Amino acid sequence: EADIYQTPRYLVIGTGKKITLECSQTMGHDKMYWYQQDPGMELHLIHYSYGVNSTEKGDLSSESTVSRIRTEHFPLTLESARPSHTSQYLCASSGGIGNRGTEAFFGQGTRLTVV
Amino acid sequence: DQQVKQNSPSLSVQEGRISILNCDYTNSMFDYFLWYKKYPAEGPTFLISISSIKDKNEDGRFTVFLNKSAKHLSLHIVPSQPGDSAVYFCAASAETSGSRLTFGEGTQLTVNP
Repeated sequence: EADIYQTPRYLVIGTGKKITLECSQTMGHDKMYWYQQDPGMELHLIHYSYGVNSTEKGDLSSESTVSRIRTEHFPLTLESARPSHTSQYLCASSGGIGNRGTEAFFGQGTRLTVV
Repeated sequence: DQQVKQNSPSLSVQEGRISILNCDYTNSMFDYFLWYKKYPAEGPTFLISISSIKDKNEDGRFTVFLNKSAKHLSLHIVPSQPGDSAVYFCAASAETSGSRLTFGEGTQLTVNP
């Protein structure tokens, strides 16, 4: 049973607002990820972290930023939201011993709508 | 350049029959492959995986086949059940890239009662 939580589940916000999407996991995983997904499209990796104080940009360029001050917490921040940021944001973690810890466990996602 | 492709956006099958979902990849460095299942407004759930040293992995109703020479993998679900209706994502990783996952576009499976 995966224990990774995202809040909020849904968010509708006006253009120009600053938002933070929360992600927490209780599995002690070192690796955490943020993916962005639009309907009918693949999941695009936008940020990842391999441990505390380690963050990297993913394959898809994003105006968001992330931080990893604690192992269990990996928040994503948009300083000034725009309609083009409307999407589903999925947080994941991995780090189990088996299969080099590749299986990623996902949170339920945050559906962001910027109006 | 999309490295993992699922060419069928949708698939419809009858309950009790076999569902076959396909996935192709281009990166020869990929050495681990996974299938995820996703319901609307939920995060993907891990289903089954296979290492490149194998050509088949089975877990209950789910079997994944890997053809390395063709850079192709498939997920077989038999017998299919209405509760299997979801979007299925194929994903791949390479140890050289820190095991980050690259996903396909997904295939919407509908199992009709």
